[in-house]
Amino acid sequence: RKEVEQDPGPFNVPEGATVAFNCTYSNSASQSFFWYRQDCRKEPKLLMSVYSSGNEDGRFTAQLNRASQYISLLIRDSKLSDSATYLCVVGLNTGFQKLVFGTGTRLLVSP
Amino acid sequence: GAVVSQHPSWVICKSGTSVKIECRSLDFQATTMFWYRQFPKQSLMLMATSNEGSKATYEQGVEKDKFLINHASLTLSTLTVTSAHPEDSSFYICSASVTTGGNIQYFGAGTRLSVL
Repeated sequence: RKEVEQDPGPFNVPEGATVAFNCTYSNSASQSFFWYRQDCRKEPKLLMSVYSSGNEDGRFTAQLNRASQYISLLIRDSKLSDSATYLCVVGLNTGFQKLVFGTGTRLLVSP
Repeated sequence: GAVVSQHPSWVICKSGTSVKIECRSLDFQATTMFWYRQFPKQSLMLMATSNEGSKATYEQGVEKDKFLINHASLTLSTLTVTSAHPEDSSFYICSASVTTGGNIQYFGAGTRLSVL
């Protein structure tokens, strides 16, 4: 079983749509949680950290359920520029902060 | 956010040669840097964790004699792929950890290595 599992997609949505991505992680000792965005052939860029209380940044809302080991990302009012791969990332403190990446969910927003 | 510079961005080399990739934190000091590898349509896989002034910690299955890591200063870590072979062709990405603000890692732009 993968440490971080995501639906690879692609999710094809029209502009303005709301889309949700889910992610599950297997290590209950995971301590930090993030969503990163990766464009084709580029490095990952931090989209937002995820907290148990849930957090929102503009059109993006992230939720964490530690009991279910489940993380979600909701994107409202999708823009063409949101097209990318969204990586669910879990942090483990193994002496250093080790990040474990999911394979990503690809989003395609069309006009 | 913090800026991490990685160089070169793309390298093509012959089989058997060695390639050095540099990773620099430009506006902060990074006690810890990380090296990842990403094959097409796969997730980033951590190769090793690099601490300034000490030996790198390699992940299981990563050959330390093939992937040499040097972290000589708080702003520079290098990865040398020795005797590169076509199966080493991949996207190599470094990151640096900012210890304040939740240990967030900031990534370099990556190096695309093609071994002929």
